[in-house]
Amino acid sequence: GAVVSQHPSWVICKSGTSVKIECRSLDFQATTMFWYRQFPKQSLMLMATSNEGSKATYEQGVEKDKFLINHASLTLSTLTVTSAHPEDSSFYICSARSWGARGGSGEQFFGPGTRLTVL
Amino acid sequence: LAKTTQPISMDSYEGQEVNITCSHNNIATNDYITWYQQFPSQGPRFIIQGYKTKVTNEVASLFIPADRKSSTLSLPRVSLSDTAVYYCLVGDSNTDKLIFGTGTRLQVFP
Repeated sequence: GAVVSQHPSWVICKSGTSVKIECRSLDFQATTMFWYRQFPKQSLMLMATSNEGSKATYEQGVEKDKFLINHASLTLSTLTVTSAHPEDSSFYICSARSWGARGGSGEQFFGPGTRLTVL
Repeated sequence: LAKTTQPISMDSYEGQEVNITCSHNNIATNDYITWYQQFPSQGPRFIIQGYKTKVTNEVASLFIPADRKSSTLSLPRVSLSDTAVYYCLVGDSNTDKLIFGTGTRLQVFP
């Protein structure tokens, strides 16, 4: 199946710094990617939809100035956590849909996730 | 988007068949039903998808009744490595958004 990668797989940073997480579709093009966050023992929460060449669409309650999303190409979306604080510590996961993979609402391929720890 | 309801947790033993049922009463005509598996500190992994009736692949079967208001994921002869969280999602082909519910935490014992 299609592969989605994330980099870095984990990051530790000091409070107040910004952290960039990359999400790449390795063997397919993705006009749309999604960003989720997941706290321990909880489900994935959709943060935003990243659209290639246009602004991201954020879910209610997600601060767009806090979580900057850029989808500069058909294979790369980045999430920047600006001025990170300990409460931003979480597991961040991206996904992308491979067109024509299975049809219907299709199969979304998920990245392996990025563990962010803010000290 | 249709909301899904699943049992919070299930226990099983190795070699048994496990059936996890998901309720999605407000499923729309365009919606497909998709199941994902997630291990700790990993991204979700696609298991199976269906629209109606029965779908089977190399790892699972998905049973969907005619009214499509529920679905059942069937895992034949589970092993310890099937211990994971299983998510049932209902998605719209027009929006692509997948909203995760609570999932079912399956624990397989030896």
